Amino acid sequence: AQSVTQLDSQVPVFEEAPVELRCNYSSSVSVYLFWYVQYPNQGLQLLLKYLSGSTLVKGINGFEAEFNKSQTSFHLRKPSVHISDTAEYFCAVSALGTDKIIFGKGTRLHILP
Amino acid sequence: DTAVSQTPKYLVTQMGNDKSIKCEQNLGHDTMYWYKQDSKKFLKIMFSYNNKELIINETVPNRFSPKSPDKAHLNLHINSLELGDSAVYFCASSLVSGNYGYTFGSGTRLTVV
Repeated sequence: AQSVTQLDSQVPVFEEAPVELRCNYSSSVSVYLFWYVQYPNQGLQLLLKYLSGSTLVKGINGFEAEFNKSQTSFHLRKPSVHISDTAEYFCAVSALGTDKIIFGKGTRLHILP
Repeated sequence: DTAVSQTPKYLVTQMGNDKSIKCEQNLGHDTMYWYKQDSKKFLKIMFSYNNKELIINETVPNRFSPKSPDKAHLNLHINSLELGDSAVYFCASSLVSGNYGYTFGSGTRLTVV
């Protein structure tokens, strides 16, 4: 079985500062990894995904994530955040060959002016 | 055109009633899903269908019954609604396998009073 742990339930950060949202996963088989963003009162939107190849993945809105197999991590980063990045961010994992995506509990990114 | 559309967006109903939520996707995807997001934002998969065939059926009360008339539609019917059913229900779809990520609808906020 797979599981995802998002270590921080909420991350406050000043506007234009860098941010890192942490994600660790557990799986006995190879996995695909995702980050989704949920803006207030909206559905989830795919930010980026790691399927294979380069461990540094670039996504939309200036976000990137790095897959670290030895540390079973997939942390999300952005060098400079904006007020519009205020949202809930979900890390997710899917085992190869399955349809099911398992989500972490989410991290609320709170941008301070 | 909206890729994954759900109706209604909001649903307020009394305990004991029966209600349905509809979902349609125009992406040509083969697999569709229902997820439940509780008040703490936790997302849990309920069902998935691949080309009208039930693939995933998580531990969900049998008051919940999905129906897929064709691969572009997946409806969710809920009998004898309970207070604990209050949540946001998301429909999603994926091309062939969920390993490549989902496209989500904007959600249906169900409130049982």
